[in-house]
Amino acid sequence: AQTVTQSQPEMSVQEAETVTLSCTYDTSESDYYLFWYKQPPSRQMILVIRQEAYKQQNATENRFSVNFQKAAKSFSLKISDSQLGDAAMYFCAYRSDRSNFGNEKLTFGTGTRLTIIP
Amino acid sequence: NAGVTQTPKFQVLKTGQSMTLQCAQDMNHEYMSWYRQDPGMGLRLIHYSVGAGITDQGEVPNGYNVSRSTTEDFPLRLLSAAPSQTSVYFCASSPLRGYNEQFFGPGTRLTVL
Repeated sequence: AQTVTQSQPEMSVQEAETVTLSCTYDTSESDYYLFWYKQPPSRQMILVIRQEAYKQQNATENRFSVNFQKAAKSFSLKISDSQLGDAAMYFCAYRSDRSNFGNEKLTFGTGTRLTIIP
Repeated sequence: NAGVTQTPKFQVLKTGQSMTLQCAQDMNHEYMSWYRQDPGMGLRLIHYSVGAGITDQGEVPNGYNVSRSTTEDFPLRLLSAAPSQTSVYFCASSPLRGYNEQFFGPGTRLTVL
């Protein structure tokens, strides 16, 4: 079974600075997908960024980018120019690419609470 | 489009009571699932479905039942509520497999006294 580990329960960053959230995972599969979800105080789960394991190029979405290290099974999220609206819980998640029944599920890490300091 | 909707948003139950959490999606997604979120534990999969009439257990299925009679709806039933089921419940849907994003409902906060 796959596991996802987020070793930083809480992080803080000054507004306009850059912060990196860590995520590691364990899997025996070669094809899979990785996601970062944001959960603000409203509780809504919002997709931030996603990465296909077969792609070597790191995904980027505006101020959000990932550092995907497949051999190390690491998938960190970098937030540049942090804004007050970035304050939230951030969850790393894994999804298998095998086309078997039930492999659509997401396996989540325990989350990192990000605080933005004005 | 409404996306994924959940009702109710909040619920308080007494131990032993039963109830159904409703989930509906209007995106014609084959895959639907229920997660529970507890402090320090992330989201854990309760049950999932890959289409009408097809359901299976996830990581923490005990005390919950599901059925999927239509593509749109995927209700979660608590048969006899226990304090350990106090949690926030999320319903999610997506097309089957691949790169597809799972869309989440707004969640239901359930308290069992």
